[in-house]
Amino acid sequence: ILNVEQSPQSLHVQEGDSTNFTCSFPSSNFYALHWYRWETAKSPEALFVMTLNGDEKKKGRISATLNTKEGYSYLYIKGSQPEDSATYLCAFMTTGNQFYFGTGTSLTVIP
Amino acid sequence: DGGITQSPKYLFRKEGQNVTLSCEQNLNHDAMYWYRQDPGQGLRLIYYSQIVNDFQKGDIAEGYSVSREKKESFPLTVTSAQKNPTAFYLCASSMTAYQETQYFGPGTRLLVL
Repeated sequence: ILNVEQSPQSLHVQEGDSTNFTCSFPSSNFYALHWYRWETAKSPEALFVMTLNGDEKKKGRISATLNTKEGYSYLYIKGSQPEDSATYLCAFMTTGNQFYFGTGTSLTVIP
Repeated sequence: DGGITQSPKYLFRKEGQNVTLSCEQNLNHDAMYWYRQDPGQGLRLIYYSQIVNDFQKGDIAEGYSVSREKKESFPLTVTSAQKNPTAFYLCASSMTAYQETQYFGPGTRLLVL
């Protein structure tokens, strides 16, 4: 079983603050890195799928970067809003089609 | 309305009983997945299927079985061999098994009586 680590485990920020979290994964057998947002009482929702070293993806105020050589990805949220409150999951996909999820970063945005 | 449905929302299992969790999708996706979530842990892959009549074990397949007789359906059976079945179970699907975004169902919480 591979280890995918996310930090911090939880985060409280004020509305309007920018924030970022980290996903660390093994640098070998890399195929793709997924980011999902999981709001309470809803299903996880896809944010990004990243495949190439140096990839940068953006969706509104949320962006992500990928470094496959050192095994990490950053997720950034600019100008956090209360509706951004959720758990953010990353998932490491191996060349053998296995998925390994991190435990998530729980974000609370305080109005 | 396209999506993934899981039923039931809550399921109770007695000792020694097999129970089956339903997962249906109308997204015309080839690949489907079953995950388990326990408190303080990430989602762990139980089984996945890349195409009809084919499925592969994930890291924690012991005590579980699946079938994929139809493209839209991927039921998961929790057998009596699974000694610690209490968990939250999520089903997902993707267009193909390669790199694609996964779409998740609402989940089933299984409790042992």
